[in-house]
Amino acid sequence: GAVVSQHPSWVICKSGTSVKIECRSLDFQATTMFWYRQFPKQSLMLMATSNEGSKATYEQGVEKDKFLINHASLTLSTLTVTSAHPEDSSFYICSARAGGLQGNQPQHFGDGTRLSIL
Amino acid sequence: AQSVTQPDIHITVSEGASLELRCNYSYGATPYLFWYVQSPGQGLQLLLKYFSGDTLVQGIKGFEAEFKRSQSSFNLRKPSVHWSDAAEYFCAVAGMDSSYKLIFGSGTRLLVRP
Repeated sequence: GAVVSQHPSWVICKSGTSVKIECRSLDFQATTMFWYRQFPKQSLMLMATSNEGSKATYEQGVEKDKFLINHASLTLSTLTVTSAHPEDSSFYICSARAGGLQGNQPQHFGDGTRLSIL
Repeated sequence: AQSVTQPDIHITVSEGASLELRCNYSYGATPYLFWYVQSPGQGLQLLLKYFSGDTLVQGIKGFEAEFKRSQSSFNLRKPSVHWSDAAEYFCAVAGMDSSYKLIFGSGTRLLVRP
């Protein structure tokens, strides 16, 4: 149980292109999803928290207009990197958390998306 | 402020040897603690979690961790390491505000000698 699917796993595109990454919870409803960025040999950096039916909450320093997040249903959140440039190249990982106000619900992670901007 | 420290960047053990990965946290109350493992190019897999109760928690793949409040530690252990355990291991604490954000340590890379 608690499977999170992230797609695509790898994308290469030209500078200036917009790229959409999908994150789906396959066997549970996720009221909250998180988007992380990970640089090589580093820990995960939280970019934003996505709540179903409401606007995402972005961490300090993350450009809202650059990284568009939509959480339209209880099983799907999308991250769109708009007008991507080489400095946006990174490994992006999503996670999903089942509903409820209890803090003991763990986050379940997708397999990540390797984004390479040429 | 909440923080998680994993003091060891790299650890190398021989296959079959025991393993302990250290994790210390800074938090004002009893935290929710997690250990995740990440293989190269992959997402994170939950190994185990601690919320309350028994301070020794069992996880998947033969891992266990012990919560020690007096030391603010949550060290991960395995009695006999397998070559497939080579990966990056992250300790994390959950925020107690309504955001439930995870605060990650910097990770420990485990290398296994044949």
